[in-house]
Amino acid sequence: DAKTTQPNSMESNEEEPVHLPCNHSTISGTDYIHWYRQLPSQGPEYVIHGLTSNVNNRMASLAIAEDRKSSTLILHRATLRDAAVYYCILLSGNTGKLIFGQGTTLQVKP
Amino acid sequence: DVKVTQSSRYLVKRTGEKVFLECVQDMDHENMFWYRQDPGLGLRLIYFSYDVKMKEKGDIPEGYSVSREKKERFSLILESASTNQTSMYLCASSLGPADQETQYFGPGTRLLVL
Repeated sequence: DAKTTQPNSMESNEEEPVHLPCNHSTISGTDYIHWYRQLPSQGPEYVIHGLTSNVNNRMASLAIAEDRKSSTLILHRATLRDAAVYYCILLSGNTGKLIFGQGTTLQVKP
Repeated sequence: DVKVTQSSRYLVKRTGEKVFLECVQDMDHENMFWYRQDPGLGLRLIYFSYDVKMKEKGDIPEGYSVSREKKERFSLILESASTNQTSMYLCASSLGPADQETQYFGPGTRLLVL
């Protein structure tokens, strides 16, 4: 299973954009890049996913490098409620198995 | 909205007890999953199921079994609980077999085995 590498922690100020990086140099051509986040005392929740093209939804944007070896989750205006652990995950082939890494703990300062 | 519910938020059991963790989803999803989450180890897949009466081992199935008698319900069973099974247990479901399907998670069950 392909692995991802993320920084352990990041800090942001409220109302500012946040760029959360993820490296996945061993990604295969059929792996989708998924992002989930986990707020304190809750189960993970889906944020966004993509294959090759950049993606936008109401929560965030996903920028995928041309060689697909890295991606960046962009929160356009961080709020205190965005403080969470963010997981970058490669969805394994056609099994639907999510392989979670350690994630990035995002701290948002008022 | 998809809803995934787990039978308990907190559970305390004794070593050797048989433990049942229940998970129910209300959106007719095909796939269901059981994970455990431990500090420093992240989420690890225990078992998953693609259909009723079907199960597949995940990465850490030892000491666990599962049951899926109905599509909406996926049970995790600890036949003889041990202290190293103290953990947060998370259930998830997804719509179908496609590899881009979103997984929806329940709130988790925090199990303490004494």
